[in-house]
Amino acid sequence: SAVISQKPSRDICQRGTSLTIQCQVDSQVTMMFWYRQQPGQSLTLIATANQGSEATYESGFVIDKFPISRPNLTFSTLTVSNMSPEDSSIYLCSSRDTEAFFGQGTRLTVV
Amino acid sequence: GENVEQHPSTLSVQEGDSAVIKCTYSDSASNYFPWYKQELGKGPQLIIDIRSNVGEKKDQRIAVTLNKTAKHFSLHITETQPEDSAVYFCAASRGSYIPTFGRGTSLIVHP
Repeated sequence: SAVISQKPSRDICQRGTSLTIQCQVDSQVTMMFWYRQQPGQSLTLIATANQGSEATYESGFVIDKFPISRPNLTFSTLTVSNMSPEDSSIYLCSSRDTEAFFGQGTRLTVV
Repeated sequence: GENVEQHPSTLSVQEGDSAVIKCTYSDSASNYFPWYKQELGKGPQLIIDIRSNVGEKKDQRIAVTLNKTAKHFSLHITETQPEDSAVYFCAASRGSYIPTFGRGTSLIVHP
């Protein structure tokens, strides 16, 4: 099973600023994803991070707000841009080959 | 697309009792059904999964059953312990497609 390291684990940010979350997988994986999980809710897929090309975003999520990088098969970043209190949530990185695994999450609070 | 319904949203049991969480799915082509456990402050962890070519899978106190005809699958936890308290998510996917998650069940095991 893949081990996923995600950082930061939590942060408190001022509205209008941006935060970049990093995700490192201990082995090369084909697919990497970013999810948002609001308090007490299920996981909502933000986008699929594609290696060497632009990320594929789900309905309701746009690149200007959530730019994603994936420079290689083990690393990805998600930036939450121009944050507002509505962006307060847990952000999760996930990878999948035969099974899907998750990082420990980044708990973001925007004040 | 796939739609996964999960029940109950909250389940409270006494230590030593059994707990059952049920999920239904809509896409008859789905063939992979994982279950995740999410403890407070952590990312979801894969605890057991089942593929469509089997009807039941067991791992110590945890078992999962699948009824492809009825399109439902269930998680069974026997002899529950306080450390089983967590949020449990079911998911369904077709091949290497991105899994669709249920809304989660908060399991509380009272000592």
